[in-house]
This record gives sequence, C-alpha cells and structure tokens, in this order.
Amino acid sequence: AQSVTQPDIHITVSEGASLELRCNYSYGATPYLFWYVQSPGQGLQLLLKYFSGDTLVQGIKGFEAEFKRSQSSFNLRKPSVHWSDAAEYFCAVGAFSGGYNKLIFGAGTRLAVHP
Amino acid sequence: DTEVTQTPKHLVMGMTNKKSLKCEQHMGHRAMYWYKQKAKKPPELMFVYSYEKLSINESVPSRFSPECPNSSLLNLHLHALQPEDSALYLCASSQEDRGETQYFGPGTRLLVL
Repeated sequence: AQSVTQPDIHITVSEGASLELRCNYSYGATPYLFWYVQSPGQGLQLLLKYFSGDTLVQGIKGFEAEFKRSQSSFNLRKPSVHWSDAAEYFCAVGAFSGGYNKLIFGAGTRLAVHP
Repeated sequence: DTEVTQTPKHLVMGMTNKKSLKCEQHMGHRAMYWYKQKAKKPPELMFVYSYEKLSINESVPSRFSPECPNSSLLNLHLHALQPEDSALYLCASSQEDRGETQYFGPGTRLLVL
C-alpha cells in the first residue's frame, strides 16, 4: 500500500542553522512528490514539487529537496533557517490509490526555531 | 495566480444549525477538493469534484453535503453536525484529478457547540 513516512514528529533548530526534514514513501511507480508548509491555523502552501527530470528541485523561501529513488526519499533542506520558518511541514505523494488519484500525506513534522 | 479563497474564516454553529462553507478558484482548474483537518494531523480527504461532478466521497457522513454550482465554486453544506466535527476545513483545487499539484485555500475553522 502507498504510504508516506515523516520520521521526525518535532524538530528544533537554532536560527541560522541548516535544516533537513526527512520523508520516505512507499509506491510502486515514480510518484509525484510534494512538500507543503502550514503555519498555525492556516492553509497549506506548496513549497516545491517533483514530477520528473532533475532530482534536485528548488522551491520557494530558499527550500530545496532531493529525490532519491534508491532510498525512496524526498528530503527537504534549507541552508539557513529563519524564525519565520517555524511551522508544520507535510510531505505528500500524488499516487493512484483505492481506484483514483489522491494526495497521500505524511504525519507532518513540526519545526520550532530558537532565536 | 494560484489563489483559492474560502469563506468564512471562522464559523461557530450549534448542532441543530444549517450552515455552508464556500470555496472559489479562478485558475481554470477542473478538480476541486474538500479536506478535514484535526489539530496536529494531516488533512483527510472528504470529497473530490471533477468537471463539476462528484467523483469521490470518502465515506463522509450525510450531514456533510457538497455542491459544485460551477467550475469555479465549491460549497460544503453542513447540517446537524456533532462536536467532533469541529476542525479546519480546507478546500483545494488542481488542473485535473490525476495527482497533480493541489493548491489549498486558507481554510475555515469550524467549532460545533
């Protein structure tokens, strides 16, 4: 069955430090891959997506992610975190499941940023 | 422009009330979605409309009734809700319903008393 795993429920980093959020997926074919960010009480904002081609994708707000087929991973990175990056981050797979295409979300990683 | 708008931002209703949530997009997308999100959880898919027709109902109770009056609008009619239905309700849209990028609205925070 298709699934998305975000192993880290909560991460705390210092402002200016680098960040990596992990995402692993289970899917038979090459999926569509997404990272969304959600500030408290807000909707989900698309950070970046991977459909095909270059496995290193650039997104908004200085984020990037790398698709590694051999590891079934799509980790999100940022070289220097800002206090405004504190939010919930969801990795998602666009996959054919249960007879139709749907977004399968990971459980999310909550990022806290220390000044 | 990748904007999806939702109204109202907040809604408080009693268990006997009838209310509606509204979602609008002007990106020419032909698929629209309703999600329910509880605190500290990922969104859960409720309904999918494709070309203004209901294509997916994820076994949602009948007290939630979706409607797609045209390709830009999506409504969610609420009736006789329970306190456990309190949540953030998110609308999203995508070009088609083939797994492409979904763009989300800001959500409606619903409290059922």
